[in-house]
Amino acid sequence: AAGVIQSPRHLIKEKRETATLKCYPIPRHDTVYWYQQGPGQDPQFLISFYEKMQSDKGSIPDRFSAQQFSDYHSELNMSSLELGDSALYFCASSLAGKRGYTFGSGTRLTVV
Amino acid sequence: KQEVTQIPAALSVPEGENLVLNCSFTDSAIYNLQWFRQDPGKGLTSLLLIQSSQREQTSGRLNASLDKSSGRSTLYIAASQPGDSATYLCAVRPAVTGNQFYFGTGTSLTVIP
Repeated sequence: AAGVIQSPRHLIKEKRETATLKCYPIPRHDTVYWYQQGPGQDPQFLISFYEKMQSDKGSIPDRFSAQQFSDYHSELNMSSLELGDSALYFCASSLAGKRGYTFGSGTRLTVV
Repeated sequence: KQEVTQIPAALSVPEGENLVLNCSFTDSAIYNLQWFRQDPGKGLTSLLLIQSSQREQTSGRLNASLDKSSGRSTLYIAASQPGDSATYLCAVRPAVTGNQFYFGTGTSLTVIP
């Protein structure tokens, strides 16, 4: 069965650089969620999209932005990267109002 | 804001033992609750999903129960195996406010051969 695809799997950036993470949801899933998981931490909700519109906003810094495109894939854009942004970034998708989440394998971002 | 707590934070058991992981949440108005497994540095694998109207779900050696009124869920693992070693996270989706899940901090399970 198709799963949630995230790219890249690993990313190393320097401070103050920008990064773009991509997420391809399960086909026919209309809702995408982004989570950030720091070392030893539980996943923290960043932002979600339903039918290409932002549906919820969590603890996403102003330096980050995201969008969902017409093919339902989503991109998380991160600017002015800081060392504290180093984390696992998960994308999950679901069919709105039904069932649970399916998570991707995550993108490990390391800021040096 | 929904707060999710998992006890214990870490658990070590010999192979073959049955074990129970606990999850508690502060707001009983939930839409559903999901148990995940996470291997070190890896993604989250969904184990079981319980809708708010359900009391339990079973998959193989795993059984998850939900007592919404008391704000508790348990994950029961029968006949544990070394391959079960991982961090187990429960996540709660509120019934009213938004779509996000609130995660617990997880229980790190080690099954000793």
